[in-house]
Amino acid sequence: RKEVEQDPGPFNVPEGATVAFNCTYSNSASQSFFWYRQDCRKEPKLLMSVYSSGNEDGRFTAQLNRASQYISLLIRDSKLSDSATYLCVVNKRDSSYKLIFGSGTRLLVRP
Amino acid sequence: EPEVTQTPSHQVTQMGQEVILRCVPISNHLYFYWYRQILGQKVEFLVSFYNNEISEKSEIFDDQFSVERPDGSNFTLKIRSTKLEDSAMYFCASPQNTEAFFGQGTRLTVV
Repeated sequence: RKEVEQDPGPFNVPEGATVAFNCTYSNSASQSFFWYRQDCRKEPKLLMSVYSSGNEDGRFTAQLNRASQYISLLIRDSKLSDSATYLCVVNKRDSSYKLIFGSGTRLLVRP
Repeated sequence: EPEVTQTPSHQVTQMGQEVILRCVPISNHLYFYWYRQILGQKVEFLVSFYNNEISEKSEIFDDQFSVERPDGSNFTLKIRSTKLEDSAMYFCASPQNTEAFFGQGTRLTVV
């Protein structure tokens, strides 16, 4: 089983749509959770951290369910500039800052 | 935003040659990481470096690889006797609080 698993997509949505990405992780001792964004041939950039209570940053909402080992990202009112690959990332408890990446979910927002 | 700088941006090398990838992390950081991403695949952890020593390495990071901090500020990733399958993007990362800042990457092409 993969350590971090994501639907590869692509998700092809019109501007203004709401889209949700899901992610599962296998290591129940995982400590920290993140969503990173990666544009084509660029470096990953942190989109947002994910907290147990859920957190929101503008149009983006992240949720964590530790019992189910499940992380989600919701994007409301999609913009063309949201087109990218969204990476689910987990930090293992027994390592400092060693990030485990999912393969990413590709989002295409069309006009 | 803190900046992590990598050079070169693109390196083409013949199979069997040695390459050195360089990175300037966020200043005064003790932790430092190298990751790689084969085209179309996920970002994979290679090695972490703390206080001038390797603190953790993945199974990918075999004797072909080495990491150094030659002058107190720059970090290098050396790949000896490159193979075709070493072709990938190599990212260095420097953590700050809970966020990992990635350099823009070096695209290594082994021919």
